[in-house]
Amino acid sequence: DARVTQTPRDKVTEMGQEVTMRCQPILGHNTVFWYRQTMMQGLELLAYFRNRAPLDDSGMPKDRFSAEMPDATLATLKIQPSEPRDSAVYFCASGLAHSGGETQYFGPGTRLLVL
Amino acid sequence: AQSVTQLGSHVSVSEGALVLLRCNYSSSVPPYLFWYVQYPNQGLQLLLKYTSAATLVKGINGFEAEFKKSETSFHLTKPSAHMSDAAEYFCAVSEAGGTSYGKLTFGQGTILTVHP
Repeated sequence: DARVTQTPRDKVTEMGQEVTMRCQPILGHNTVFWYRQTMMQGLELLAYFRNRAPLDDSGMPKDRFSAEMPDATLATLKIQPSEPRDSAVYFCASGLAHSGGETQYFGPGTRLLVL
Repeated sequence: AQSVTQLGSHVSVSEGALVLLRCNYSSSVPPYLFWYVQYPNQGLQLLLKYTSAATLVKGINGFEAEFKKSETSFHLTKPSAHMSDAAEYFCAVSEAGGTSYGKLTFGQGTILTVHP
Protein backbone atom coordinates (compact mmCIF):
# COMPACT_ATOMS: atom_id res chain seq x y z
CA ASP A 1 0.00 0.00 0.00
CA ALA A 2 1.87 3.07 -1.28
CA ARG A 3 1.87 6.05 1.07
CA VAL A 4 3.38 9.47 1.43
CA THR A 5 5.78 9.52 4.35
CA GLN A 6 6.87 12.55 6.35
CA THR A 7 9.58 13.02 8.93
CA PRO A 8 9.70 14.02 11.67
CA ARG A 9 6.14 13.48 12.88
CA ASP A 10 6.61 15.94 15.73
CA LYS A 11 9.14 18.70 16.22
CA VAL A 12 9.59 21.08 19.13
CA THR A 13 12.19 23.77 18.69
CA GLU A 14 13.13 27.18 19.98
CA MET A 15 12.63 30.41 18.14
CA GLY A 16 15.51 31.15 15.78
CA GLN A 17 16.42 27.54 15.14
CA GLU A 18 16.41 25.94 11.70
CA VAL A 19 13.72 23.36 10.99
CA THR A 20 13.82 20.87 8.13
CA MET A 21 10.85 18.71 7.24
CA ARG A 22 11.12 15.84 4.78
CA CYS A 23 8.64 14.14 2.54
CA GLN A 24 8.86 11.00 0.44
CA PRO A 25 6.16 11.10 -2.25
CA ILE A 26 4.54 8.00 -3.66
CA LEU A 27 6.81 6.41 -6.24
CA GLY A 28 5.88 7.51 -9.74
CA HIS A 29 3.95 10.61 -8.72
CA ASN A 30 5.03 13.73 -10.59
CA THR A 31 3.56 16.46 -8.38
CA VAL A 32 4.35 17.30 -4.77
CA PHE A 33 2.52 19.83 -2.60
CA TRP A 34 3.36 21.42 0.76
CA TYR A 35 0.47 22.64 2.93
CA ARG A 36 0.26 24.27 6.33
CA GLN A 37 -2.74 23.79 8.61
CA THR A 38 -3.63 26.02 11.56
CA MET A 39 -6.82 26.62 13.47
CA MET A 40 -6.94 30.25 12.38
CA GLN A 41 -6.03 29.97 8.70
CA GLY A 42 -7.15 26.45 7.88
CA LEU A 43 -5.33 24.61 5.10
CA GLU A 44 -2.93 26.79 3.10
CA LEU A 45 -0.91 25.79 0.05
CA LEU A 46 2.70 26.84 0.55
CA ALA A 47 4.37 25.50 -2.59
CA TYR A 48 4.22 22.79 -5.18
CA PHE A 49 6.46 21.02 -7.66
CA ARG A 50 5.88 19.18 -10.88
CA ASN A 51 8.59 16.86 -12.18
CA ARG A 52 10.80 18.37 -9.43
CA ALA A 53 10.46 21.90 -10.83
CA PRO A 54 8.89 24.52 -8.55
CA LEU A 55 5.62 25.76 -10.05
CA ASP A 56 4.24 28.02 -7.38
CA ASP A 57 5.62 29.09 -4.03
CA SER A 58 3.55 32.23 -3.62
CA GLY A 59 2.07 30.90 -0.38
CA MET A 60 5.42 30.79 1.35
CA PRO A 61 7.07 33.56 3.34
CA LYS A 62 10.12 33.93 1.10
CA ASP A 63 12.46 35.38 3.66
CA ARG A 64 12.44 32.35 5.93
CA PHE A 65 10.90 29.41 4.08
CA SER A 66 12.42 27.37 1.29
CA ALA A 67 11.23 24.24 -0.50
CA GLU A 68 13.28 21.92 -2.68
CA MET A 69 13.18 18.56 -4.39
CA PRO A 70 16.74 17.25 -4.48
CA ASP A 71 15.49 14.15 -6.28
CA ALA A 72 12.21 12.48 -7.22
CA THR A 73 12.00 10.61 -3.93
CA LEU A 74 12.56 13.51 -1.56
CA ALA A 75 10.99 16.91 -0.98
CA THR A 76 12.13 19.22 1.79
CA LEU A 77 10.65 22.26 3.49
CA LYS A 78 13.02 24.37 5.51
CA ILE A 79 12.34 27.23 7.91
CA GLN A 80 15.27 29.41 8.94
CA PRO A 81 14.96 31.11 11.36
CA SER A 82 11.81 29.66 12.87
CA GLU A 83 9.29 31.83 14.75
CA PRO A 84 6.43 30.96 17.12
CA ARG A 85 3.89 31.89 14.44
CA ASP A 86 5.24 29.02 12.32
CA SER A 87 3.73 26.55 14.77
CA ALA A 88 1.35 24.44 12.72
CA VAL A 89 0.91 21.04 11.10
CA TYR A 90 2.72 20.78 7.78
CA PHE A 91 1.41 18.32 5.23
CA CYS A 92 3.02 16.96 2.14
CA ALA A 93 0.85 15.49 -0.63
CA SER A 94 1.71 13.88 -3.92
CA GLY A 95 -0.22 13.06 -7.07
CA LEU A 96 0.09 12.00 -10.67
CA ALA A 97 -1.19 15.07 -12.48
CA HIS A 98 -1.59 15.17 -16.24
CA SER A 99 -4.72 17.21 -16.92
CA GLY A 100 -6.56 17.87 -13.69
CA GLY A 101 -8.92 15.86 -11.55
CA GLU A 102 -6.16 13.74 -10.12
CA THR A 103 -6.26 12.75 -6.48
CA GLN A 104 -3.74 14.18 -4.03
CA TYR A 105 -2.48 11.71 -1.46
CA PHE A 106 -1.58 13.25 1.87
CA GLY A 107 1.09 12.28 4.33
CA PRO A 108 0.44 12.13 8.08
CA GLY A 109 1.91 15.57 8.67
CA THR A 110 4.68 17.11 10.76
CA ARG A 111 3.42 18.85 13.89
CA LEU A 112 5.75 21.80 14.56
CA LEU A 113 5.87 23.77 17.79
CA VAL A 114 8.18 26.75 17.97
CA LEU A 115 8.71 28.05 21.49
CA ALA B 1 -10.12 32.38 -9.94
CA GLN B 2 -11.65 29.35 -8.33
CA SER B 3 -12.98 29.26 -4.77
CA VAL B 4 -14.91 27.01 -2.43
CA THR B 5 -17.37 27.90 0.31
CA GLN B 6 -18.43 25.38 2.91
CA LEU B 7 -21.59 26.46 4.70
CA GLY B 8 -21.32 25.74 8.39
CA SER B 9 -18.02 25.24 10.17
CA HIS B 10 -19.67 22.79 12.59
CA VAL B 11 -22.46 20.29 11.96
CA SER B 12 -23.89 18.07 14.67
CA VAL B 13 -26.12 15.05 14.04
CA SER B 14 -27.42 12.08 15.98
CA GLU B 15 -26.23 8.61 15.17
CA GLY B 16 -28.46 7.20 12.44
CA ALA B 17 -29.52 10.62 11.17
CA LEU B 18 -28.90 12.06 7.73
CA VAL B 19 -25.59 13.82 7.19
CA LEU B 20 -25.59 16.85 4.87
CA LEU B 21 -22.46 18.95 4.42
CA ARG B 22 -22.76 21.85 2.05
CA CYS B 23 -20.25 23.03 -0.51
CA ASN B 24 -20.54 25.71 -3.17
CA TYR B 25 -17.82 26.46 -5.68
CA SER B 26 -16.82 29.16 -8.07
CA SER B 27 -14.87 28.32 -11.18
CA SER B 28 -14.47 29.92 -14.58
CA VAL B 29 -14.16 26.55 -16.30
CA PRO B 30 -15.82 23.17 -15.71
CA PRO B 31 -14.40 22.07 -12.40
CA TYR B 32 -13.17 18.92 -10.83
CA LEU B 33 -14.59 18.64 -7.29
CA PHE B 34 -13.40 16.65 -4.31
CA TRP B 35 -14.38 15.81 -0.78
CA TYR B 36 -11.64 14.88 1.66
CA VAL B 37 -11.96 13.72 5.27
CA GLN B 38 -9.49 14.31 8.08
CA TYR B 39 -9.60 12.25 11.24
CA PRO B 40 -7.84 13.60 14.36
CA ASN B 41 -4.06 13.69 14.06
CA GLN B 42 -4.10 12.32 10.52
CA GLY B 43 -3.65 13.62 7.00
CA LEU B 44 -6.50 14.18 4.56
CA GLN B 45 -8.02 11.18 2.82
CA LEU B 46 -10.08 11.24 -0.36
CA LEU B 47 -13.78 10.45 0.11
CA LEU B 48 -14.92 10.98 -3.46
CA LYS B 49 -14.43 13.14 -6.53
CA TYR B 50 -16.35 14.45 -9.52
CA THR B 51 -14.52 14.52 -12.84
CA SER B 52 -17.37 15.24 -15.31
CA ALA B 53 -18.75 11.72 -15.56
CA ALA B 54 -21.89 10.91 -13.57
CA THR B 55 -23.23 13.84 -11.55
CA LEU B 56 -23.99 11.60 -8.57
CA VAL B 57 -20.73 10.35 -7.17
CA LYS B 58 -20.42 7.56 -4.64
CA GLY B 59 -17.49 7.42 -2.29
CA ILE B 60 -16.13 5.43 0.58
CA ASN B 61 -17.90 4.79 3.88
CA GLY B 62 -21.38 5.25 2.39
CA PHE B 63 -20.93 8.90 1.41
CA GLU B 64 -22.11 10.39 -1.86
CA ALA B 65 -22.23 13.82 -3.45
CA GLU B 66 -24.19 15.34 -6.30
CA PHE B 67 -22.78 17.87 -8.73
CA LYS B 68 -25.35 20.53 -9.59
CA LYS B 69 -24.02 22.94 -12.15
CA SER B 70 -27.05 25.25 -12.00
CA GLU B 71 -26.55 25.69 -8.27
CA THR B 72 -22.73 25.52 -8.37
CA SER B 73 -22.97 23.03 -5.54
CA PHE B 74 -21.41 19.73 -4.55
CA HIS B 75 -23.06 18.78 -1.26
CA LEU B 76 -21.96 15.67 0.61
CA THR B 77 -24.55 13.31 2.09
CA LYS B 78 -24.80 10.07 3.99
CA PRO B 79 -28.19 8.54 4.82
CA SER B 80 -27.29 7.32 8.29
CA ALA B 81 -24.49 8.75 10.42
CA HIS B 82 -22.16 6.51 12.37
CA MET B 83 -20.04 7.50 15.33
CA SER B 84 -16.95 6.78 13.26
CA ASP B 85 -17.95 9.54 10.80
CA ALA B 86 -16.94 12.20 13.31
CA ALA B 87 -14.14 14.11 11.59
CA GLU B 88 -13.42 17.27 9.63
CA TYR B 89 -14.54 17.35 6.00
CA PHE B 90 -13.03 19.48 3.27
CA CYS B 91 -14.48 20.34 -0.11
CA ALA B 92 -11.97 21.24 -2.83
CA VAL B 93 -11.97 22.37 -6.46
CA SER B 94 -9.42 21.88 -9.21
CA GLU B 95 -9.31 23.31 -12.69
CA ALA B 96 -8.44 21.39 -15.80
CA GLY B 97 -5.74 22.55 -18.16
CA GLY B 98 -3.36 25.47 -17.87
CA THR B 99 -0.24 25.22 -15.81
CA SER B 100 -2.00 24.86 -12.48
CA TYR B 101 -3.79 21.60 -13.21
CA GLY B 102 -3.76 19.31 -10.21
CA LYS B 103 -3.68 22.24 -7.78
CA LEU B 104 -6.55 22.15 -5.30
CA THR B 105 -8.33 25.04 -3.65
CA PHE B 106 -9.82 23.91 -0.34
CA GLY B 107 -12.77 25.18 1.63
CA GLN B 108 -12.42 26.06 5.29
CA GLY B 109 -13.65 22.68 6.46
CA THR B 110 -16.71 21.44 8.36
CA ILE B 111 -16.35 19.58 11.63
CA LEU B 112 -18.93 16.82 11.91
CA THR B 113 -19.94 15.71 15.40
CA VAL B 114 -22.06 12.58 15.83
CA HIS B 115 -24.03 12.16 19.06
CA PRO B 116 -25.09 8.75 20.39
